[in-house]
Amino acid sequence: GQNIDQPTEMTATEGAIVQINCTYQTSGFNGLFWYQQHAGEAPTFLSYNVLDGLEEKGRFSSFLSRSKGYSYLLLKELQMKDSASYLCAAFSGAGSYQLTFGKGTKLSVIP
Amino acid sequence: GAGVSQSPSNKVTEKGKDVELRCDPISGHTALYWYRQRLGQGLEFLIYFQGNSAPDKSGLPSDRFSAERTGESVSTLTIQRTQQEDSAVYLCASSPGLAGARGANVLTFGAGSRLTVL
Repeated sequence: GQNIDQPTEMTATEGAIVQINCTYQTSGFNGLFWYQQHAGEAPTFLSYNVLDGLEEKGRFSSFLSRSKGYSYLLLKELQMKDSASYLCAAFSGAGSYQLTFGKGTKLSVIP
Repeated sequence: GAGVSQSPSNKVTEKGKDVELRCDPISGHTALYWYRQRLGQGLEFLIYFQGNSAPDKSGLPSDRFSAERTGESVSTLTIQRTQQEDSAVYLCASSPGLAGARGANVLTFGAGSRLTVL
């Protein structure tokens, strides 16, 4: 089975840096995703890590450690529009590309 | 199409009625997913289609739920004898599903169908 844990809520200040952690336990592993979901909207893709290490994409970076079952999403130079839920998701792999999502971390950016 | 289209966007029904939700994936995407999201909750996997393979139905919560997909095109999610606990947003997503390609497994979501059971 799959188990994905991430904090429920976080608050950070505009212009600051925030790190959202995710730990996972899956029966197989074939990649770790981060999605952003604004209230009342569909999730949108942010990043996909398959190999260990850090991947940077503008203000957003994502890190993966497969041996530790751990990932984080790093958001720099926070803007008010970054207030949203951030969803960690993992494939079970092993022949089935069932993508399981964590419950999401609701980030509030304050002035 | 350019994106994933879902219809209806909103559906209000009475308890006990059947409902059908439709999803049009991105053209050429072989993989299609259905998820349920209750208010303030995370995404709950329902079912996954990949090409002509047998679908992964392991997330369907009861036998009142069923889904079909015509080839690599439209999918319909049917909920029979709806209950109040079925009230949620039903999200459909598709991905290219091309083995080995890095972007093959990136899901693109539709805007969802909001179901309210009175």
